[in-house]
Amino acid sequence: KAGVTQTPRYLIKTRGQQVTLSCSPISGHRSVSWYQQTPGQGLQFLFEYFSETQRNKGNFPGRFSGRQFSNSRSEMNVSTLELGDSALYLCASSFDWPTGELFFGEGSRLTVL
Amino acid sequence: GEDVEQSLFLSVREGDSSVINCTYTDSSSTYLYWYKQEPGAGLQLLTYIFSNMDMKQDQRLTVLLNKKDKHLSLRIADTQTGDSAIYFCAGVDSNYQLIWGAGTKLIIKP
Repeated sequence: KAGVTQTPRYLIKTRGQQVTLSCSPISGHRSVSWYQQTPGQGLQFLFEYFSETQRNKGNFPGRFSGRQFSNSRSEMNVSTLELGDSALYLCASSFDWPTGELFFGEGSRLTVL
Repeated sequence: GEDVEQSLFLSVREGDSSVINCTYTDSSSTYLYWYKQEPGAGLQLLTYIFSNMDMKQDQRLTVLLNKKDKHLSLRIADTQTGDSAIYFCAGVDSNYQLIWGAGTKLIIKP
């Protein structure tokens, strides 16, 4: 059974640009959530989608957005990139969040110059 | 809201048991998780415990939950060099968000 797949794994952008990250959940999982990991702030929740609807959102500015498609694949977008957006962005999928298991992908490492 | 705390480092000798501790504030957390992160990698789910359980054992891993003290621990028996990683505990808050500890770096001495 394939795990959670995130693309791209690494990317470099400059300030002011925008970026789109993609996440394919484990087959059969309908919940996809996104987290940001930085050395200073640790792991922080961005948002969670279930059946194409955003169910929950963390405390991030509106520059951070996401969506989920009918096949449960999800994308997150960050517009007008800032240096502080440099981070590892992790996607996680679950069959039945918030109960049970939450599986993570390897992450997309974004560097903003 | 939920706050999760854990010590930043733990050093143990190979073959000994490692005990990583975590405290949390939100008593309504239904599930509490332990994840492992190796350098440059994502988060690997190790185990989780439901709040109505006191203990869960899975091979070399034992999770203990003390709800009264809001204390969670992960014991790794017979610690090996491959166990070197950062270990995160996390709890689900009332908004169904995972709140994470800062992570404990486990250092294995030969």
